Order: sequence, then C-alpha cells, then structure tokens
Amino acid sequence: KQEVTQIPAALSVPEGENLVLNCSFTDSAIYNLQWFRQDPGKGLTSLLLIQSSQREQTSGRLNASLDKSSGRSTLYIAASQPGDSATYLCAVPSGSARQLTFGSGTQLTVLP
Amino acid sequence: ETGVTQTPRHLVMGMTNKKSLKCEQHLGHNAMYWYKQSAKKPLELMFVYSLEERVENNSVPSRFSPECPNSSHLFLHLHTLQPEDSALYLCASSQDGGRQPQHFGDGTRLSIL
Repeated sequence: KQEVTQIPAALSVPEGENLVLNCSFTDSAIYNLQWFRQDPGKGLTSLLLIQSSQREQTSGRLNASLDKSSGRSTLYIAASQPGDSATYLCAVPSGSARQLTFGSGTQLTVLP
Repeated sequence: ETGVTQTPRHLVMGMTNKKSLKCEQHLGHNAMYWYKQSAKKPLELMFVYSLEERVENNSVPSRFSPECPNSSHLFLHLHTLQPEDSALYLCASSQDGGRQPQHFGDGTRLSIL
C-alpha cells in the first residue's frame, strides 16, 4: 500500500527566503507525482505535475524535482512571499491509477 | 465559469436529514471524483466515476450514495450521517487514464449536528 509522507508538517520563514518542501513515497512504481496548494477553507490548486520520465518541472518561482528510485520529491520555492502562505500537498497515483494517495501536507507561513 | 464548481459551500444538517452535494465541471473531462478531508488527516478518495460509470468505491459507508448522471455532473447523496462525517468534501475531475492532473473544486464544508 502506497504511503506518502511530507516533512516538515509546518514551516515558518521570513519573506524572501528560498525554501524546500519534501515529499516521500514508499512505492516507487509511480508514473507521475502532483503538487497542490490549498488555501484555508478552499479546494486544491494544482501547481505542478511531474511525469516519471521527467526529473524536474518548473513554473515561475516553483521548481519540483522527482527521484523515483529513492522515493522522493522536493518542491523548491524561490524568493518566498506572504502570498505563498498555504498548505502544500503532494500526491501520487496508486492502485488502479485513478486513486491519488496524498501526504498530510506542509503548512507554510511566510512572514512579511 | 470556474473549472469545477461545488454547491453548497457550507452545509449543516442533523443526523436524520437527507441532503445532496453537487459538483459540476466545465473542463470537458470524463472522470470525476469525491474526496473527504477531515481535520488532521490526509485526503481520502471516496468514489471515482469514469464515463459515468462508478469504477472505484473505497469502502465508503452506504449512508453516502454517489450519482453521476452525465460526465459534467456528480452528486453525493447523504442520509443518516454521523458526527464523524463532518468534514470538507472535495470534488475533482480529470481526463481519465490517471496520468492527467486532477482539478479540484473549493469543496463543501459539512457539519453534522
């Protein structure tokens, strides 16, 4: 059974810092990994999807990497801003491939 | 029109009530999903519909009954719920195959009295 772990559970940084969020998964037989953002009381916004054949995906100040063999992904946020404050979730397909298994998320606070 | 729309945004109901949650997607996707998000727990997949057929049912109690009348609409019918069913219920859609990103609505915050 696929398990997804995100560390740290919470992170508080001053504005302008570069930061890294971590995601690990137990079954490396995945074909993609997705990073989401969730604002309080809201749904999930898809940030990046990395296919298994890729090692990185970039969107603006966000960069996600994937190392299938070690069961890890990182989300790098450059020059953080208070508007980046949210919970960040990673998810991988498992089972029938339609099922996404989510981590518990990292709650990020960027202080002005 | 936003991609995935859920109504109502908030719902308070008693344990004996019957209500329905609605989800509508305007993305042309052919798969739709219901998830449950409880406090301090990861999102849990409840149901998956592909081409209007239920293809996944993750041991969800029968007091939750999904319905997918067409590829754009998904309902979750609720009856005789328990206090532990209080949660955020999220709907998502994708192009089927599992390799495409899932797009989520803003959810319905459900409180059971």
